[in-house]
Amino acid sequence: DAGVTQSPTHLIKTRGQQVTLRCSPKSGHDTVSWYQQALGQGPQFIFQYYEEEERQRGNFPDRFSGHQFPNYSSELNVNALLLGDSALYLCASSRRDRGTNQPQHFGDGTRLSIL
Amino acid sequence: AQSVTQLGSHVSVSEGALVLLRCNYSSSVPPYLFWYVQYPNQGLQLLLKYTSAATLVKGINGFEAEFKKSETSFHLTKPSAHMSDAAEYFCAVSNSGGSNYKLTFGKGTLLTVNP
Repeated sequence: DAGVTQSPTHLIKTRGQQVTLRCSPKSGHDTVSWYQQALGQGPQFIFQYYEEEERQRGNFPDRFSGHQFPNYSSELNVNALLLGDSALYLCASSRRDRGTNQPQHFGDGTRLSIL
Repeated sequence: AQSVTQLGSHVSVSEGALVLLRCNYSSSVPPYLFWYVQYPNQGLQLLLKYTSAATLVKGINGFEAEFKKSETSFHLTKPSAHMSDAAEYFCAVSNSGGSNYKLTFGKGTLLTVNP
């Protein structure tokens, strides 16, 4: 049973570019959440998708956008990259009907470096 | 709004010694609390969770945590540290126990275990 998978594992971009990160949730999960983890910090919630709609959003600018597909996989898009966007981006999946009884499962993340 | 404070960004113990990692939370609603562990270059793995059942919660790898409402604390303990416990530990609080919850993390505590 595959867990949460993210691609790519590492990515290097330059300022001003755009990037797309991908996430496949754990089998049986229908909700995907994205987190940003800067070096030496805890993860910060970006947004959450369910039924192909953004359901919750953290304190991130509109440069951060996402999408969820019918197969529950998800993408995170970041436009006009800034140096401060360098971080580990984590995807977490869960089953909406279980709430906190089935906590979010995390992938290994995508390490994004901005030059 | 919810928040988490982890006291001590770095804790060092000897192998076989007691592990105590501190977490205090702030929440306007009954909290749902979690401890996650992160090994180098990996995502987050759930250690244990508190969801308003028993106040003493047992998790994986011999860890446990006690919810103390009067102290707004959820400290993580393990009676005897093992070398394999060396990792970063994150305490997190959920904004709800419902279906579309998000996690708010502390800044993390790096645990080193000395032989």
